Amino acid sequence: AQTVTQSQPEMSVQEAETVTLSCTYDTSESDYYLFWYKQPPSRQMILVIRQEAYKQQNATENRFSVNFQKAAKSFSLKISDSQLGDAAMYFCAYRSANNAGNMLTFGGGTRLMVKP
Amino acid sequence: DAGITQSPRHKVTETGTPVTLRCHQTENHRYMYWYRQDPGHGLRLIHYSYGVKDTDKGEVSDGYSVSRSKTEDFLLTLESATSSQTSVYFCAISPISGGYEQYFGPGTRLTVT
Repeated sequence: AQTVTQSQPEMSVQEAETVTLSCTYDTSESDYYLFWYKQPPSRQMILVIRQEAYKQQNATENRFSVNFQKAAKSFSLKISDSQLGDAAMYFCAYRSANNAGNMLTFGGGTRLMVKP
Repeated sequence: DAGITQSPRHKVTETGTPVTLRCHQTENHRYMYWYRQDPGHGLRLIHYSYGVKDTDKGEVSDGYSVSRSKTEDFLLTLESATSSQTSVYFCAISPISGGYEQYFGPGTRLTVT
C-alpha cells in the first residue's frame, strides 16, 4: 500500500517570503498523480496543484509551484510571496494511475502560519 | 466550486445511537467518497462508490456502512455511534476522467458523547 509522509507538522513564514512544504511518498508504481490540497480555517478542502508522474516539468499555479523528484519520491510545494490568506493546513495526496476508484492517500498535513 | 453539499453540518449524538450523514452532488460525477479527518492522520477513506449501488470499503470502514441509490446521493451510516467516531467527515466526488482530482464538500463535524 502507498504511504504519504509530511514530516513538518508546522511551518511558519513571514509575509511576502517564500516557504517550502515537504512531502515524500512510498510506491512501487511508475504511473501516478500527486496533489496538494489547502484547508483554511473554514475547513473547506481546496485543490492547489496537481502533478502527473509521467511529466518531467514541475507544475506551477501562480504563486504555487512544486519540486517533483520522482527518483527520490519527493513532492514539495513552494509558496512564493506568501500572503496572510495562505495560512492553512496543507495536505499532500497520492493517486495511483491503476486505481480504478480514483482513490487518494493523504499525508498527515502541515500547518502553515503566516506572520505579518 | 463543485456542487457538493453535506447535511447536517454539525451533529452531537450519544453513544449507541444511529447516525446518518448525507452527501448530495449536482455534478453527476460517477465516484463519491467518504473520509474522516482526525488530527495527525490527514484524511482517511471510509467507503467509496463507483456507481449507483456500487460501493467498496476504504481504509477505516469498520463501524460504518454506506448506500447510494441515486447518482447524486451518498449516505454514510454509523449503526451504533461510538466516541472513537467523533471526527470531521468529508464527502468528495470525482469524475470518471480528466485530472482525477477529487472535489470536497464542506464537511460535517460529528461529536459522539
